[in-house]
Amino acid sequence: DAGVTQSPTHLIKTRGQHVTLRCSPISGHKSVSWYQQVLGQGPQFIFQYYEKEERGRGNFPDRFSARQFPNYSSELNVNALLLGDSALYLCASREVGAYNEQFFGPGTRLTVL
Amino acid sequence: SQQGEEDPQALSIQEGENATMNCSYKTSINNLQWYRQNSGRGLVHLILIRSNEREKHSGRLRVTLDTSKKSSSLLITASRAADTASYFCATPPLFGETSGSRLTFGEGTQLTVNP
Repeated sequence: DAGVTQSPTHLIKTRGQHVTLRCSPISGHKSVSWYQQVLGQGPQFIFQYYEKEERGRGNFPDRFSARQFPNYSSELNVNALLLGDSALYLCASREVGAYNEQFFGPGTRLTVL
Repeated sequence: SQQGEEDPQALSIQEGENATMNCSYKTSINNLQWYRQNSGRGLVHLILIRSNEREKHSGRLRVTLDTSKKSSSLLITASRAADTASYFCATPPLFGETSGSRLTFGEGTQLTVNP
């Protein structure tokens, strides 16, 4: 079975631009989460979607938005990119349940110049 | 501030030695998880310990949890060069139907195992 997939793998943008990152969860997983990981730090929670509804949002500005589609895939959008948005963006999916693990994708490395 | 804080930040050992990493957290939990990350790639789930468990084993991994001290430790026995990676502890919010999808990670421990 395929794991969590993300596209693109790498992305270079300039300040002020917009970016869309995509994620396909493991088949059957209805919960998708997004994390930002700045170099040298642990991942920071951005969004969680479950059954196409936002169920959680981390401490990120409104420039960050996301959505989940009927097939449970998800997009993360970031507007007006800043240099500080350069990071590894990780998507994770899981089956809902108190003790179920999250499965992470390989991430999208975003560089903002 | 971080919910989970690991120490040490970096650990360098020789193959065959044991590696111990510690994690502290601030709020009440119903479980704590450990993840591994190789060279800035995706995270791999290693082990989950529930709040009513004190110790859990998985292969060469041993995790302990002390809820009174709000701390956990990850022990890797007989380490190998392939264990070189960053290790993170993570905790979900205590409440919420889908809370397990909203993990708070620590800063991580960078483990280097020298052959």
